[in-house]
Amino acid sequence: DQQVKQNSPSLSVQEGRISILNCDYTNSMFDYFLWYKKYPAEGPTFLISISSIKDKNEDGRFTVFLNKSAKHLSLHIVPSQPGDSAVYFCAASDFNKFYFGSGTKLNVKP
Amino acid sequence: NAGVTQTPKFQVLKTGQSMTLQCAQDMNHEYMSWYRQDPGMGLRLIHYSVGAGITDQGEVPNGYNVSRSTTEDFPLRLLSAAPSQTSVYFCASSLRGSGRYEQYFGPGTRLTVT
Repeated sequence: DQQVKQNSPSLSVQEGRISILNCDYTNSMFDYFLWYKKYPAEGPTFLISISSIKDKNEDGRFTVFLNKSAKHLSLHIVPSQPGDSAVYFCAASDFNKFYFGSGTKLNVKP
Repeated sequence: NAGVTQTPKFQVLKTGQSMTLQCAQDMNHEYMSWYRQDPGMGLRLIHYSVGAGITDQGEVPNGYNVSRSTTEDFPLRLLSAAPSQTSVYFCASSLRGSGRYEQYFGPGTRLTVT
């Protein structure tokens, strides 16, 4: 059974608006949570991460929120740009192992 | 700096054939790992290594072998390919194994087993 889940396979947003991507997890022992972005025919690239002891981390247009009681994290992109169109994976680490969600395809319309 | 390189980019195998997917990094990273990506499943960890001479199993290790004789290289071996191993394979490396450190991914190898 998947320990990290992304229940929305796709999301469409207008340029300039906020994109919110969601992720749920089951293992309370995860110590870090990460977001990766992936373009077709390329490997994933790291976007932003958050330690399990924090509830928010911000980097430019990207903010990750962690709600440990709900075992839920979200990635906010503000403002969204057409170049943000890609597949976004959330991931969680448990010591040396990483678990990925199935991805959400974001389409930002000009 | 080439980062993480993978060869080949594409490969077609017949059932029962063996092959090795190559992965190399030039960033002196201790941690290296292999993932497979299947539709609707995201990336799943096959094997990982926290340093030369040390390897361990991930989520889906069956049918795959690895070794880590040098810091730079982490090859993935399929001893007897099966159609269920048709997938896109990614190698990744990071300074350490903790999620505190960013993982750098290679461009992937698309493998088809007929």
